[in-house]
Amino acid sequence: DVKVTQSSRYLVKRTGEKVFLECVQDMDHENMFWYRQDPGLGLRLIYFSYDVKMKEKGDIPEGYSVSREKKERFSLILESASTNQTSMYLCASNIAQGVDEQFFGPGTRLTVL
Amino acid sequence: SQKIEQNSEALNIQEGKTATLTCNYTNYSPAYLQWYRQDPGRGPVFLLLIRENEKEKRKERLKVTFDTTLKQSLFHITASQPADSATYLCALNMYSGGGADGLTFGKGTHLIIQP
Repeated sequence: DVKVTQSSRYLVKRTGEKVFLECVQDMDHENMFWYRQDPGLGLRLIYFSYDVKMKEKGDIPEGYSVSREKKERFSLILESASTNQTSMYLCASNIAQGVDEQFFGPGTRLTVL
Repeated sequence: SQKIEQNSEALNIQEGKTATLTCNYTNYSPAYLQWYRQDPGRGPVFLLLIRENEKEKRKERLKVTFDTTLKQSLFHITASQPADSATYLCALNMYSGGGADGLTFGKGTHLIIQP
């Protein structure tokens, strides 16, 4: 079974803090994705990566950056957290060449105070 | 801009009946469309994928249709059960790079199957 794990289920941070959300997958997938999910807005793509050190912007990249130093690990970074970044963050992965289901992690509920 | 709409936020269906969920999109021609199920507090789980050249796809009690002229997909659950109660999401591949397809999701339909 594919397993996508996220470092924390719940996280509380203060405005202005630098926040790291970590995601690890154990199935040697090339592609990894970060989404955020908000009531009334649904799931929105922040960034994705198709290889180590490669990244592409999604729908809402502003205020975020990402890092992919190893194939199995994809980090989402909030350089200076703001209250409007309070959300559920979901990581996903899949194999190379696009047309394939995405496997999601359990999510990290981030609250920025 | 691209837009994905799912027909309703909530849908109540009697157990044993067929549940039909709708996904409409505009300003885009996707190569494929996916359906996911999401339970409270969990990440989405993949159910079915249908390509632009396919009209219909089935998996057990699930059936998906894809009409690229109408820009619409229908998702059916036959012989529905209370365990089918969940939020169902449709998704299109709107962001591509390096062979990866980032998905754009609809807001989801919360399906409730009543015993």
